Amino acid sequence: EAQVTQNPRYLITVTGKKLTVTCSQNMNHEYMSWYRQDPGLGLRQIYYSMNVEVTDKGDVPEGYKVSRKEKRNFPLILESPSPNQTSLYFCASRRGVGGNQPQHFGDGTRLSIL
Amino acid sequence: QQQVKQSPQSLIVQKGGISIINCAYENTAFDYFPWYQQFPGKGPALLIAIRPDVSEKKEGRFTISFNKSAKQFSLHIMDSQPGDSATYFCAASINAGGTSYGKLTFGQGTILTVHP
Repeated sequence: EAQVTQNPRYLITVTGKKLTVTCSQNMNHEYMSWYRQDPGLGLRQIYYSMNVEVTDKGDVPEGYKVSRKEKRNFPLILESPSPNQTSLYFCASRRGVGGNQPQHFGDGTRLSIL
Repeated sequence: QQQVKQSPQSLIVQKGGISIINCAYENTAFDYFPWYQQFPGKGPALLIAIRPDVSEKKEGRFTISFNKSAKQFSLHIMDSQPGDSATYFCAASINAGGTSYGKLTFGQGTILTVHP
């Protein structure tokens, strides 16, 4: 089954404790991205990657890091999480760079930073 | 700044009624307008999409109406059902090159509740 898998689905942690949210897709997609979803703000892009070793900032990259060492994996790293990063996070992938292709989303990771 | 503004923020409709969600954009370079549907506990999933060379696209009970001159597009859900209760996001992207090529810009989302 074609899917985007995120882990963990839920995480409660404390300020400053480094965490990583993993994302893996099994569709051989080139383009992957991370979004955060906040009430009234919709989905905002954090980082994206056009292919292995090619990443770039989205609209809200502050406080986040990403890496793309393999085509299928695109982890999101919060090196020193803060309460304003409490949010619902989604990883997504699509076949190519063009935005006119269906984007497949994971089921989300709900992060609470205390 | 690239923005897509979506309204209303929430919508309550009776079963069998018509649900209408509206979006407006500023950047005339947008050339692809998808709608995504999100159920609780799930990620968004592509529902229907339109290109600006057509004014309407229909797939089953879902229709996108597009007004290029007004820079607006809307989603109509006919004969709304309780199973349509979800959050809906409009979006827009640029696919003709440039620094924003491929970026998907989302609206703020609409929480639709269909009462039985």
